[in-house]
Amino acid sequence: DTGVSQNPRHKITKRGQNVTFRCDPISEHNRLYWYRQTLGQGPEFLTYFQNEAQLEKSRLLSDRFSAERPKGSFSTLEIQRTEQGDSAMYLCASSLGGSGGYGYTFGSGTRLTVV
Amino acid sequence: RKEVEQDPGPFNVPEGATVAFNCTYSNSASQSFFWYRQDCRKEPKLLMSVYSSGNEDGRFTAQLNRASQYISLLIRDSKLSDSATYLCVVNNPNKLSFGAGTTVTVRA
Repeated sequence: DTGVSQNPRHKITKRGQNVTFRCDPISEHNRLYWYRQTLGQGPEFLTYFQNEAQLEKSRLLSDRFSAERPKGSFSTLEIQRTEQGDSAMYLCASSLGGSGGYGYTFGSGTRLTVV
Repeated sequence: RKEVEQDPGPFNVPEGATVAFNCTYSNSASQSFFWYRQDCRKEPKLLMSVYSSGNEDGRFTAQLNRASQYISLLIRDSKLSDSATYLCVVNNPNKLSFGAGTTVTVRA
């Protein structure tokens, strides 16, 4: 499979627990993006990497959120001390270079439910 | 003001009908524009890029009006399989900004 892969597909966690999601982008793509999507809304930008460098973070990304892409390949998104408001679909996407002209390829997402 | 605003719909149309909807964007410096399609509980998938001169892809036609900062999508001869949420997407500038989506339901 040469698409964007995300794991796990679903995660149910208790409030206050930490969770970590993984994204494996398309291998030749140097940019990797994390988005969050709640019901009835479009995806909202969280952060993006070019290779291993995290170049931009949204104000939505509070101190409880951290993302890494240690070797410029896969990425992880960690949420500490989860809250019910964190329940959402977390989408990873990758692209070759900037997004101009080609758009992104998204993974299937990780659906987080905080109970 | 949201970066990308769309009429949420829903647009409920019979098979074979034509349906069209727009979105507006706030950043006049945006250079790239797209329509994505999202099926229920699935990831967004690129439907088509939008070019200044307008472009077609089969039954789908996209238009861009830079002066008014709006983008449109027209679907001709609607199929049941066109039922989905259509996301208007703008490059802003190193990341894509998404509208909330327009829901289209095609009925038999």
